[in-house]
Amino acid sequence: DIVMTQSPDSLAVSLGERATINCMSSHSVLHSSNNKNYLTWYQQKPGQPPKLLIYWASTRESGVPDRFSGSGSGTDFTLTISSLQAEDVAVYYCQQYYSSPITFGQGTRLEIK
Amino acid sequence: QVHLQQWGAGLLKPSETLSLTCAVYGGSFNNNYWSWIRQPPGKGPEWIGEINHSGSTNYNPSLKSRVSISVDTSKNQFSLNVSSVTAADTALYFCARGGISGTDDFDIWGHGTMVTVSS
Repeated sequence: DIVMTQSPDSLAVSLGERATINCMSSHSVLHSSNNKNYLTWYQQKPGQPPKLLIYWASTRESGVPDRFSGSGSGTDFTLTISSLQAEDVAVYYCQQYYSSPITFGQGTRLEIK
Repeated sequence: QVHLQQWGAGLLKPSETLSLTCAVYGGSFNNNYWSWIRQPPGKGPEWIGEINHSGSTNYNPSLKSRVSISVDTSKNQFSLNVSSVTAADTALYFCARGGISGTDDFDIWGHGTMVTVSS
């Protein structure tokens, strides 16, 4: 199984400041056939299912604000929120779909400082 | 707009079988794989398995011996059975839509069903 490890486990950022969450995979999730990284980011608020934010490591899902961006390749990835808003308080997860079984990170809790 | 509605028993005793069903409304059922995912309290999600309209399945090896996912295309529904449950199976269970070919990300999720295993 590909193990997904996120850092930090929790993060407190001031409103309007940048938030950065990291995700590392135990195996590269870059597919050589199409040069795509099989890595997704989700946002989960209390009492709700995860919401898809970014797929292919850097493509925003329709309707996701452009303050959310994804970067990285191979085994190291980053989710950046450029200017934190109050509604961004949530737990964020990365997920790989390079190989089965699909695996998720343990989550990063983002709070307001 | 595709919508997933899920249901099933929320309280089980050890050794019983967990059964959940997810109905797909408002879109094509035949163009995607459909997954079950669970999330223990305070932890990250764990993928359980997936199925497509023709009944092709793919399971997480960690649960494969106890899990069965089935499909009813006449009702646009798919179901999860987990046998011989223990307290470790206590979790919030979600159904979700995957991609066309399986092993994908999940763009639409059900609301979740909390399943508690307790004697």
